[in-house]
Amino acid sequence: EPEVTQTPSHQVTQMGQEVILRCVPISNHLYFYWYRQILGQKVEFLVSFYNNEISEKSEIFDDQFSVERPDGSNFTLKIRSTKLEDSAMYFCASSDTLGKAFFGQGTRLTVV
Amino acid sequence: KNEVEQSPQNLTAQEGEFITINCSYSVGISALHWLQQHPGGGIVSLFMLSSGKKKHGRLIATINIQEKHSSLHITASHPRDSAVYICAGNAGGTSYGKLTFGQGTILTVHP
Repeated sequence: EPEVTQTPSHQVTQMGQEVILRCVPISNHLYFYWYRQILGQKVEFLVSFYNNEISEKSEIFDDQFSVERPDGSNFTLKIRSTKLEDSAMYFCASSDTLGKAFFGQGTRLTVV
Repeated sequence: KNEVEQSPQNLTAQEGEFITINCSYSVGISALHWLQQHPGGGIVSLFMLSSGKKKHGRLIATINIQEKHSSLHITASHPRDSAVYICAGNAGGTSYGKLTFGQGTILTVHP
């Protein structure tokens, strides 16, 4: 079965540094998403991306965050000036027009 | 605001038991997803349904649109079914694909 690939699986970064989380969605999917899960909490929506632009974002997704699809295969989440509270598991997902979401294995971000 | 509530939060079963996890959702949610999350953290989509019932192996998902309620059933449970099961609602329309997640049900199946 096709799958969504995320790299790295674990990233440790110093507070204040910038991180880029990478995702390769399923090739014929058109809708892309980032979610995050703080340890012990429910998964939260961050942003959705369609037709090369953000289609919806949550209130969590402030100016610190940005997304990009630089080359038609990768989908990245950039977090500028990371804070301790950004420590979480970040999931990328993609879906086709039928709406079933396929998730990556996640990137565990630890800000120290 | 779209909301999804699951019960129970924790569920322990003996191997072979029939398991049911429940999910209630708010107005505005047009489709319901059932997902499985293993200890490593990865999320696997099990079902997406907007009406009726779907079955895959020992897993059955049902949805009652009038009552805004969905259930996930596992027949003949096995220790390898131990995981967190999450229901998530899909608003559709301009929010196509955006999922609102429930808290998850931690299932432990003992041999």
